[in-house]
Amino acid sequence: AQTVTQSQPEMSVQEAETVTLSCTYDTSENNYYLFWYKQPPSRQMILVIRQEAYKQQNATENRFSVNFQKAAKSFSLKISDSQLGDTAMYFCALHTNSGYALNFGKGTSLLVTP
Amino acid sequence: SAVISQKPSRDICQRGTSLTIQCQVDSQVTMMFWYRQQPGQSLTLIATANQGSEATYESGFVIDKFPISRPNLTFSTLTVSNMSPEDSSIYLCSVVPQPGQKNTEAFFGQGTRLTVV
Repeated sequence: AQTVTQSQPEMSVQEAETVTLSCTYDTSENNYYLFWYKQPPSRQMILVIRQEAYKQQNATENRFSVNFQKAAKSFSLKISDSQLGDTAMYFCALHTNSGYALNFGKGTSLLVTP
Repeated sequence: SAVISQKPSRDICQRGTSLTIQCQVDSQVTMMFWYRQQPGQSLTLIATANQGSEATYESGFVIDKFPISRPNLTFSTLTVSNMSPEDSSIYLCSVVPQPGQKNTEAFFGQGTRLTVV
């Protein structure tokens, strides 16, 4: 079984600043994939960034980057130059090669203020 | 990638009735899932919709309450049966177009916000 834990229910950041969202996970499998999804008020789930566990290099997508610490089972998301449109619920998620359904954390509600 | 059309987007239903949610994908996909998101909560997997066979349900979800159909590789329905206020949630379908490949991104429908009164 896999578990995903997000310990920050809510966070706030000022526009143009940087914020880091935390995520820890647990799995007994060696091959797995980690994701950050964004859910704005529209409810549409949008992939922000993904990381394959076998890759040591941290994934980066424009203003979004991750700090993947495999030994510590930690997968944090850093948002640089925060924008008002980044306001949303952010979910950390995991799946393994033995099943492609996602295990989600409880989510972190991010508010970007002017 | 995959584009998913999920209907209805929202509904208000009387307790004791049933609602069927449809999920249409713009391409053939093998892996399709249904999730529930209770108010203010995270997403919980209800079941994996299998084409041509019975869905695989997660612990706490049963076929009599959440029957699922998957007649082909582009379409699935989830029915919420004999509804009670506790069924008020957002229901989302999701697909993984490329299982087994390096890119295993999941795509989601827009969700169905169900309110049971």
